[in-house]
Amino acid sequence: QVQLQESGPGLVKPSGTLSLTCAVSGASISSSNWWNWVRQPPGKGLEWIGEIYQTGTTNYNPSLRGRLTISVDKSTNQFSLKLNSVTAADTALYYCARRITISPNYFDPWGQGILVTVSS
Amino acid sequence: QSVLTQPPSVSGAPGQTVIISCTGSSFNIGAGYDVHWYQQLPGRAPKLLIYGNNNRPSGVPDRFSGSKSGTSASLAITGLQAEDEADYHCQSYDSSLSNFCVFGTGTKVTVL
Repeated sequence: QVQLQESGPGLVKPSGTLSLTCAVSGASISSSNWWNWVRQPPGKGLEWIGEIYQTGTTNYNPSLRGRLTISVDKSTNQFSLKLNSVTAADTALYYCARRITISPNYFDPWGQGILVTVSS
Repeated sequence: QSVLTQPPSVSGAPGQTVIISCTGSSFNIGAGYDVHWYQQLPGRAPKLLIYGNNNRPSGVPDRFSGSKSGTSASLAITGLQAEDEADYHCQSYDSSLSNFCVFGTGTKVTVL
């Protein structure tokens, strides 16, 4: 059974960097899957952030490109998110999720999520 | 920012049927991309509910069904139960955004 678990600081100062890690268990991060980040501002819908493949190939939401870096660490079976120059608009629940590579490419499973607040 | 539009809320009495729409465009649903649905119970992470327009993962009751036509998709919940009260999100891909993932605006289902 594949499980994902997010970790990282719950509070980030404005203009700082938001850094999160997703630990994968029950599957190798080197398997044929895309590893994703999705966020949900309080009371709002889901927003896709970006994803990474085991080779290091990434796809990013165009609205976040320039501030976003997603990386993978095969030695620890984890992948990470770094978002620079954060503002209050980046306050959200952040989820990591697996997206399978074969059609129909859905997200499953999801981590439990971690709330990140941007505030001084 | 969402390119897939859902009604903010729908409600129904126990046993009734509710239908949630997910309206897109010729760049996403109308382009032939599959639609997936996720159920988000209060305080919980989203969970896959329907994949590939109309397929249920193992363990999902057959009260839940999906369909797709043209530039829209729908999720139907028949025989509504109290435990179905949750947020529901559709998801697809969009060719105008380099074929990347897009989510719907989300719908809150209330069981009266």
